[in-house]
Amino acid sequence: ETGVTQSPTHLIKTRGQQVTLRCSSQSGHNTVSWYQQALGQGPQFIFQYYREEENGRGNFPPRFSGLQFPNYSSELNVNALELDDSALYLCASSPDSSGLTGELFFGEGSRLTVL
Amino acid sequence: AQSVSQHNHHVILSEAASLELGCNYSYGGTVNLFWYVQYPGQHLQLLLKYFSGDPLVKGIKGFEAEFIKSKFSFNLRKPSVQWSDTAEYFCAVNAAATSGTYKYIFGTGTRLKVLA
Repeated sequence: ETGVTQSPTHLIKTRGQQVTLRCSSQSGHNTVSWYQQALGQGPQFIFQYYREEENGRGNFPPRFSGLQFPNYSSELNVNALELDDSALYLCASSPDSSGLTGELFFGEGSRLTVL
Repeated sequence: AQSVSQHNHHVILSEAASLELGCNYSYGGTVNLFWYVQYPGQHLQLLLKYFSGDPLVKGIKGFEAEFIKSKFSFNLRKPSVQWSDTAEYFCAVNAAATSGTYKYIFGTGTRLKVLA
């Protein structure tokens, strides 16, 4: 167990709807990053939060947004859902944002299906 | 653009066979290299990592990987696989961005099935 928990584990939405995914980071970790893993693909970096500020972003449109709270938990919000947003969304926490330790601690993911 | 290539998408081996999974990356600067593993029904976890120093790194469960800078490669090896090594293996690179943060890039993964 990593101590990173995500909710919900599974959800189904329809095109155009909005979704919020939640993540609690491992105790002592101040950095949270989110990844999208489509079927048959590796995780793709969406963005990273450090001490409540977004400090890194991948090639995802603005309808993917997030928040980090003072307790370092985080949310991923996706607006105007599209069929291609169907994927496993992974949250990972780490004790720093500088990459010095290198290790990410992953949750088990939230599987989103968009119909 | 930075990328990570894993050439073997599916590998099937018998127990005690040797394993080598290929990983090549495309990035001109200094990178840190990782292998992550996902066992069935479990979360992704770190297998081993390379930051600097000895290019042959050892990880958990008897795995090792060799960084060959001239080939931009970081292949994963294990001399004798076990049934419990059945999992999906991801090679990953992280590199510092100008903002002082870093970004991970993962390969597409290799599904390993070990036959008992």
